[in-house]
Amino acid sequence: ETGVTQSPTHLIKTRGQQVTLRCSSQSGHNTVSWYQQALGQGPQFIFQYYREEENGRGNFPPRFSGLQFPNYSSELNVNALELDDSALYLCASSLGDWDYGYTFGSGTRLTVV
Amino acid sequence: AQTVTQSQPEMSVQEAETVTLSCTYDTSESDYYLFWYKQPPSRQMILVIRQEAYKQQNATENRFSVNFQKAAKSFSLKISDSQLGDAAMYFCAYRSGSGGGADGLTFGKGTHLIIQP
Repeated sequence: ETGVTQSPTHLIKTRGQQVTLRCSSQSGHNTVSWYQQALGQGPQFIFQYYREEENGRGNFPPRFSGLQFPNYSSELNVNALELDDSALYLCASSLGDWDYGYTFGSGTRLTVV
Repeated sequence: AQTVTQSQPEMSVQEAETVTLSCTYDTSESDYYLFWYKQPPSRQMILVIRQEAYKQQNATENRFSVNFQKAAKSFSLKISDSQLGDAAMYFCAYRSGSGGGADGLTFGKGTHLIIQP
């Protein structure tokens, strides 16, 4: 079975630009969630998608948006990048029945300059 | 809103010794789940152990065990026979038992565990 893969691994963008981060879920998982992990902090929940619909969101502004595709891969889009958006972005997939637990990817390190 | 607090930014232990990492949380819910995740330099979050709040018995996974004190809202992780590969950041996390997980996981700030050879 494959795990969760994220791309790219590292990215540098300029303030005000837009960025798209990608996540390929573990085989069979239909739920994906995204987290932002600032340096020296624990991850913070951005949102969750279940069967292509957003069904939960943390305290993040609307310029953070996402998509989940029929194959359950996912994108995180961030518009109007700010310096504080510099962080590690983690994707986690799970079955709808969460008892199987969350499988995390290794993240995308985003640097905004 | 739920909060998770890890009061130990860093812990150090000798190889083969036992170490306990602390975690407290605040919630008004009665149904919830608690987790310990390990994050090595590879950055991937790896599930170490989980506990369902409705279960009184403490969870155990090989060398890892928890001390779950529901009334005190405490959830500590004990690592026995520490190994060099245990060195990592350890995060305590909370998940509500309602809403199908749509609120995601709430993480603490982490404890950096150092294993001395």
